[in-house]
Amino acid sequence: DTAVSQTPKYLVTQMGNDKSIKCEQNLGHDTMYWYKQDSKKFLKIMFSYNNKELIINETVPNRFSPKSPDKAHLNLHINSLELGDSAVYFCASSSYPRQGYAEAFFGQGTRLTVV
Amino acid sequence: GEDVEQSLFLSVREGDSSVINCTYTDSSSTYLYWYKQEPGAGLQLLTYIFSNMDMKQDQRLTVLLNKKDKHLSLRIADTQTGDSAIYFCADPSEGNTPLVFGKGTRLSVIA
Repeated sequence: DTAVSQTPKYLVTQMGNDKSIKCEQNLGHDTMYWYKQDSKKFLKIMFSYNNKELIINETVPNRFSPKSPDKAHLNLHINSLELGDSAVYFCASSSYPRQGYAEAFFGQGTRLTVV
Repeated sequence: GEDVEQSLFLSVREGDSSVINCTYTDSSSTYLYWYKQEPGAGLQLLTYIFSNMDMKQDQRLTVLLNKKDKHLSLRIADTQTGDSAIYFCADPSEGNTPLVFGKGTRLSVIA
C-alpha cells in the first residue's frame, strides 16, 4: 500500500491555466505538507497543515491555494500558471512530534511543466 | 529562519568511503535527519540522530554531530553504485516541523 500518494505524476499545461494536484496519506498522520523542488533540486516548504488547519504558509504567491478536506488529504490548486511554476511538487506527511521526533513521509512527486 | 547548508556535489570510487557534510543554524532541534532521494523518486528517511548524541552508527552509515559547531556529517562506508543519489540534511524549523532541508549533495559513485 502506498503511504503518501500524489496524482498526477506528470502534468504539462499551458501558461495561464488552472490546475490541481491531489495528495492522500493512509498513515493516520495529522500533519501534511507541500514542498517545491526546483530544477537545481532545492527543496522548499510551501505549506504545512495540522488537523486540516493551515499552520505555515511560506512566501508563496496567492495563486497557490492548498485545501485540506480532511486529515488524510491535502490538495494544491494553482491559478494562472506561470513558466516559473515548473518544478516537482512533493506532498509529505508526519505525525505530531513525539519527544521531538517526526519522520516525514514523502509522495513520489508531481512534475509540473508549464509551456 | 532556519538555514541548512551542504556542499552540492561529491564523487567517489566504488568501495571508498563518502562523507557528506552539513551545517545548520537552529540549535533547538531534538533530532536531525538525513534523507535520500533516488532519481525520479521522493525523499526517504535514511537515518537520524538525537541531539544529545555525538555519533550514531547504522551498518554502513555513521552520523557525526558536533553541536558546538552546528555541524552534521554522514559517512557511508564501502560506497556502492546503488548509493548514487541526492542526500539531504534536514533540521526541523524551531525545533518542530516542518523539516527545513539543505540544498542536497549529489553523490556520484564511479565503478
